[in-house]
Amino acid sequence: EPEVTQTPSHQVTQMGQEVILRCVPISNHLYFYWYRQILGQKVEFLVSFYNNEISEKSEIFDDQFSVERPDGSNFTLKIRSTKLEDSAMYFCASSEAGHNQPQHFGDGTRLSIL
Amino acid sequence: RKEVEQDPGPFNVPEGATVAFNCTYSNSASQSFFWYRQDCRKEPKLLMSVYSSGNEDGRFTAQLNRASQYISLLIRDSKLSDSATYLCVVLSGGSYIPTFGRGTSLIVHP
Repeated sequence: EPEVTQTPSHQVTQMGQEVILRCVPISNHLYFYWYRQILGQKVEFLVSFYNNEISEKSEIFDDQFSVERPDGSNFTLKIRSTKLEDSAMYFCASSEAGHNQPQHFGDGTRLSIL
Repeated sequence: RKEVEQDPGPFNVPEGATVAFNCTYSNSASQSFFWYRQDCRKEPKLLMSVYSSGNEDGRFTAQLNRASQYISLLIRDSKLSDSATYLCVVLSGGSYIPTFGRGTSLIVHP
């Protein structure tokens, strides 16, 4: 079964540094998402992306965050200047046919900010 | 009132039991509903979409009650492998921002 893949599985970064999280969505999917889940808390939507532009973003997704689809397969999340509170699990997801369709999640990147 | 609310549990049931969870949502314009399961420190995995007429997938049945603004998940003949956190996800019309509930923890014991 095709799956969403994320790299790295764990990223440790010093506060203030830039970090890029990478995702390869399922190949025929057109809609892409990033979520975060702080330990012990609920999954929170960050951003959705379709047709090479952001469709929706949450209040969490401020100027420190950006997303990019640099080629036909990768979908990246960049955090420009990381803060301690950015420590969380970051999940990428994709869906085939629309924002109101089920999403398939990658197994996440655990980001630890020191 | 929180947008999507779930009883955190845990629901502790023996194998073979039937268990049901509810999830309430505050936005009456919500249009799409899903149940996901999440194992400890793992990614959410789609369990089923929830349709207006209700739907069933094996031991799992999902229902939508628009009048009372809640969805439900019924699990029959519980297995040990059903132990997980069950997440309710709601999408509101006009803004396709998925809102997750905090999840309901299920523990199935021998």
